[in-house]
Amino acid sequence: EAGVTQFPSHSVIEKGQTVTLRCDPISGHDNLYWYRRVMGKEIKFLLHFVKESKQDESGMPNNRFLAERTGGTYSTLKVQPAELEDSGVYFCASSQETVSGYDGYTFGSGTRLTVV
Amino acid sequence: QKEVEQNSGPLSVPEGAIASLNCTYSDRGSQSFFWYRQYSGKSPELIMFIYSNGDKEDGRFTAQLNKASQYVSLLIRDSQPSDSATYLCAGGAFSGGYNKLIFGAGTRLAVHP
Repeated sequence: EAGVTQFPSHSVIEKGQTVTLRCDPISGHDNLYWYRRVMGKEIKFLLHFVKESKQDESGMPNNRFLAERTGGTYSTLKVQPAELEDSGVYFCASSQETVSGYDGYTFGSGTRLTVV
Repeated sequence: QKEVEQNSGPLSVPEGAIASLNCTYSDRGSQSFFWYRQYSGKSPELIMFIYSNGDKEDGRFTAQLNKASQYVSLLIRDSQPSDSATYLCAGGAFSGGYNKLIFGAGTRLAVHP
């Protein structure tokens, strides 16, 4: 079974530019999550998709961030325009629908974004 | 106040010893707790989860949960140098078929030969 795949693994962009991160979840996982880790801080929730629908986007920092999940498959996270404070590691994770609440996520290896 | 707190470490233990990693949480709505291991530059990897008070054992790992004290711990017996990593504690709030995980900042564990 292929894991959660993220692309690119690293991105260095200038302030004001646009960057798009991509995540391919595990096949069959309806739940897809984006998290972010800023240097020295904890991993923080950004948003959650169930299939193609945004279920919870309470963690999105501001309207410079736009996430989409086309057809309930892969997801993209666009940052436009990027600011210095957006630097960090962006993780994607996926999980199956669960009725027990006792299932953890499978994480991708992350995209390290550096805004200069 | 952070929702999930962990000592950042590093926690240094000799090979073969028991490593004890601790975590406290503030949200009493958290129903399940997860321990992830993250090697430098890699993705977090789920080690264990626990949702009932008491101990849960899996191989060399034992998770402990005390809901009254809002305390979670992970014990690693017979620690190996390969266990050296950052250990992330996360609390899960389950709703609508999914868990929203709140992470601590992680504890760095260093196991020295």
